[in-house]
Amino acid sequence: QKEVEQNSGPLSVPEGAIASLNCTYSDRGSQSFFWYRQYSGKSPELIMFIYSNGDKEDGRFTAQLNKASQYVSLLIRDSQPSDSATYLCAVMSGGSYIPTFGRGTSLIVHP
Amino acid sequence: SQTIHQWPATLVQPVGSPLSLECTVEGTSNPNLYWYRQAAGRGLQLLFYSVGIGQISSEVPQNLSASRPQDRQFILSSKKLLLSDSGFYLCAWNSGRDNEQFFGPGTRLTVL
Repeated sequence: QKEVEQNSGPLSVPEGAIASLNCTYSDRGSQSFFWYRQYSGKSPELIMFIYSNGDKEDGRFTAQLNKASQYVSLLIRDSQPSDSATYLCAVMSGGSYIPTFGRGTSLIVHP
Repeated sequence: SQTIHQWPATLVQPVGSPLSLECTVEGTSNPNLYWYRQAAGRGLQLLFYSVGIGQISSEVPQNLSASRPQDRQFILSSKKLLLSDSGFYLCAWNSGRDNEQFFGPGTRLTVL
């Protein structure tokens, strides 16, 4: 059974700090990796995707993928209170229609 | 650009009543469509997905059903709701294998 594991948190960081969110997955055939942000009461919003080993940067967000270690992370630089949300990691096996979602990490950015 | 709509936004239904939730996607053709449920404090549970008109795959056996009468329309139904059907129902789409999913705004269902 494919599994995606995330620490449920909450992860609490001060405003302006770097928030580091981590995700591990069990399926070595995984090819596509996604990070979603979900505010309370709202639907998930895609913020990053990554397909290759290494780092991918988009504004304040950096996704890091290490397929050998089956590990994907999301770094949020200069964290803001508006970044407070639950962050969902999703992983998709090669050729699949169905992503496997983690249960999410709650991030709290305090002023 | 692509847009996904869901309605209604909120719904309160008595136990035993029927259900119909609708999802439509604009700005794309032949999308893959998905229904998820997110219960309070829990993760996303995939209920159904569809790769084409009339093609429905069920991931969880339960009292829900899904239909895809048109290319960009996906409907979630139930003949008799249970208390355990309460939750946040999310429709999602993507354009193919390995591709990222985009979610609709969701329907919050409360069964009393």
